[in-house]
Amino acid sequence: QQQVKQSPQSLIVQKGGIPIINCAYENTAFDYFPWYQQFPGKGPALLIAIRPDVSEKKEGRFTISFNKSAKQFSLHIMDSQPGDSATYFCAAKSFGNEKLTFGTGTRLTIIP
Amino acid sequence: EAGVTQFPSHSVIEKGQTVTLRCDPISGHDNLYWYRRVMGKEIKFLLHFVKESKQDESGMPNNRFLAERTGGTYSTLKVQPAELEDSGVYFCASSRRGRGETQYFGPGTRLLVL
Repeated sequence: QQQVKQSPQSLIVQKGGIPIINCAYENTAFDYFPWYQQFPGKGPALLIAIRPDVSEKKEGRFTISFNKSAKQFSLHIMDSQPGDSATYFCAAKSFGNEKLTFGTGTRLTIIP
Repeated sequence: EAGVTQFPSHSVIEKGQTVTLRCDPISGHDNLYWYRRVMGKEIKFLLHFVKESKQDESGMPNNRFLAERTGGTYSTLKVQPAELEDSGVYFCASSRRGRGETQYFGPGTRLLVL
């Protein structure tokens, strides 16, 4: 039983477009929602994270939108660049428990 | 500051053999985690050390997996005997003491059991 469902599995977007990756969760105890970015041969690296007391968080070209009632959150990448091509993982964590529960990942390709 | 390092980067072994993976966390990080990604699936939590103590080992698949963290520094994950379904990428991560600290991941060890 997957606690964090992520879609799409893969995504191809033209440079300058706005890729959107979606995640949904079941566990209402989750209170921290990070996104990780992974390049080939590297480990996942924290990109941006949000807590459920806000509906949106922006850091540079990356934005998380959070819908607590729907138990969904999404990552938007503005003005996407070929260098953004990577695998993106959403994750969730509950208070008092340090383990991260990940989605299945989205392989994003930005074509020039 | 050096990142999390893992050794080896790749390992190919036959079913029934033993493999030991090593993780060196970022210096000063008390928390150390092991995760695994089977191809195409999610990254799954295996266990969490705080210094040398196992805080949570709820994700360990079975007793063929043994994790240790001697002296609260580096950690090893031994698989004995390895089975085909153990193939995947094993990630180690570390974080500072305290709740909600960022977990920094190593590059992973790619294990293939034939």
